[in-house]
Amino acid sequence: GQSLEQPSEVTAVEGAIVQINCTYQTSGFYGLSWYQQHDGGAPTFLSYNALDGLEETGRFSSFLSRSDSYGYLLLQELQMKDSASYFCAVRDHGSGNTPLVFGKGTRLSVIA
Amino acid sequence: DAGVIQSPRHEVTEMGQEVTLRCKPISGHNSLFWYRQTMMRGLELLIYFNNNVPIDDSGMPEDRFSAKMPNASFSTLKIQPSEPRDSAVYFCASRGNNEQFFGPGTRLTVL
Repeated sequence: GQSLEQPSEVTAVEGAIVQINCTYQTSGFYGLSWYQQHDGGAPTFLSYNALDGLEETGRFSSFLSRSDSYGYLLLQELQMKDSASYFCAVRDHGSGNTPLVFGKGTRLSVIA
Repeated sequence: DAGVIQSPRHEVTEMGQEVTLRCKPISGHNSLFWYRQTMMRGLELLIYFNNNVPIDDSGMPEDRFSAKMPNASFSTLKIQPSEPRDSAVYFCASRGNNEQFFGPGTRLTVL
């Protein structure tokens, strides 16, 4: 089976930088994904890391260390609209189109 | 592309009634997933299909739940009979490569 751990809540100030960590335990591993979900909305894809290192997409970056079973999502220049829940997710193997297993999510509150 | 389409967006029903949720995946995606989201349990995978074939339904909570995918463009999730503890948001998602796209969800309330 799989398990993912991430903080339940994070609060940060507008304009600042915040890092949301995720540790995982899986029988196999085929990449770490991050999703954003606003209240009342659906999860939307942010990033995917299959290999170690940092992936950058605008204000958002995602990092993976497979040896540590660890990753993080970095949000820079925080804006009020970034207030949402952020989920890390893994696929435990790559054969076929296996489903993502999600962490419980981190609720980010951006304050002025 | 219209994305993943789900209907209805909201459903309020009484305990014991049958509920059918519908999903149209993104054209060309060959995998479809049904998730349930609650505050207590987060996002739970219920069942998924590859090329219209159910692969893993171990997440389906009880025999009251069933899902079908008669063709590549349509899937249903049925609850019969429904119970108050089934109240949740049900998401359908589809995937072609690495990115999984979610529909807007169906918010189900069972009274």
